[in-house]
Amino acid sequence: GAGVSQSPSNKVTEKGKDVELRCDPISGHTALYWYRQRLGQGLEFLIYFQGNSAPDKSGLPSDRFSAERTGESVSTLTIQRTQQEDSAVYLCASSPQGLAGNTIYFGEGSWLTVV
Amino acid sequence: AQRVTQPEKLLSVFKGAPVELKCNYSYSGSPELFWYVQYSRQRLQLLLRHISRESIKGFTADLNKGETSFHLKKPFAQEEDSAMYYCALSDSNAGGTSYGKLTFGQGTILTVHP
Repeated sequence: GAGVSQSPSNKVTEKGKDVELRCDPISGHTALYWYRQRLGQGLEFLIYFQGNSAPDKSGLPSDRFSAERTGESVSTLTIQRTQQEDSAVYLCASSPQGLAGNTIYFGEGSWLTVV
Repeated sequence: AQRVTQPEKLLSVFKGAPVELKCNYSYSGSPELFWYVQYSRQRLQLLLRHISRESIKGFTADLNKGETSFHLKKPFAQEEDSAMYYCALSDSNAGGTSYGKLTFGQGTILTVHP
């Protein structure tokens, strides 16, 4: 595809349920990022994948959050036992090599609402 | 740890007035800094990067290592500049697991009034 694709674009789930958010990066991009943006707040780093290196998981807020990436393609962010404070836009981004100075390209985000 | 601070959450100016969005950073290495912008109903996108020393849509940003700042400036704001602006810093320590990772500030919402 032409850009980073995320699905679903909108998700409403009940508190306590698990959700999976998917990201298709731009083809050939080795680096992939997940960020969270709560209403009225800035971007919060969650996790960073770079090629075959161990991911930087330092931003995951709790053990209910996990993410996987298959090779250098699709990534899935999983939130278990969702809570209302998990409601946010989850943004995925990718970049060609993850090198400092490379532009990163964002998807449109997955809007998650936990009721 | 790297950190980016944008002290102003909201900034309002009138059309034609100068605008400056502040950004300060904390980083132990040689910083790579960026400004990203998110217009209403659009994706977050790169506005400019300090290594390019470019002017995009009339905006410029100069890296000041002494003050650890990377403020974004435009001499004459336009209504279409109204957006959320994020300052970001890239980890440039080669070999680390977070090499290339972008850390963002909290963002500044710029509103340009007619």
